[in-house]
Amino acid sequence: GENVEQHPSTLSVQEGDSAVIKCTYSDSASNYFPWYKQELGKGPQLIIDIRSNVGEKKDQRIAVTLNKTAKHFSLHITETQPEDSAVYFCAASRVTGGGNKLTFGTGTQLKVEL
Amino acid sequence: DSGVTQTPKHLITATGQRVTLRCSPRSGDLSVYWYQQSLDQGLQFLIQYYNGEERAKGNILERFSAQQFPDLHSELNLSSLELGDSALYFCASSIMTGEGEKLFFGSGTQLSVL
Repeated sequence: GENVEQHPSTLSVQEGDSAVIKCTYSDSASNYFPWYKQELGKGPQLIIDIRSNVGEKKDQRIAVTLNKTAKHFSLHITETQPEDSAVYFCAASRVTGGGNKLTFGTGTQLKVEL
Repeated sequence: DSGVTQTPKHLITATGQRVTLRCSPRSGDLSVYWYQQSLDQGLQFLIQYYNGEERAKGNILERFSAQQFPDLHSELNLSSLELGDSALYFCASSIMTGEGEKLFFGSGTQLSVL
């Protein structure tokens, strides 16, 4: 089955700096790569996602890049703010008619310091 | 607020007992997923239902079972509980878009087995 590795496990940045979280996946058939943000006491919230036929996607201060050949994808957050502090999870799946079994990475605790 | 409702928020019980976790998906969503989140295992997919039928199964123990009712709410039943079953249990519902199936998570049920 799919295996997703995520690095780093913790990341501390100064407010205004950029943050980058990286993930690798094992199943070359995976074609959907979402990123979730989990704040304390809440469930994961989808913040951005990308399909394998797209190399990059941006949404305001966040962007995701995908390298299918190397089987890795990254989350980029620019101009970080204190409210960006949370745990971020990457995930991968092969979207088929039989469901969407997302395999999650182990998470990155991002801390944005003032 | 994701629109996915989970009850109860917290559950404390003893080993050997049985509990039921409940999930109401977002209005109109037919799919319900159950995930287990523990400190050492991350987010693990348990099972998916679609319009009342089981669609996909993950790492769900035989002591655990789930169902989705005609009104689309779902219940996860955990029996013969062990200390290791203590975890956060999330339910998610989903919509299919051009990019993929996007999951929306509830706030979770924190289960503590003493």
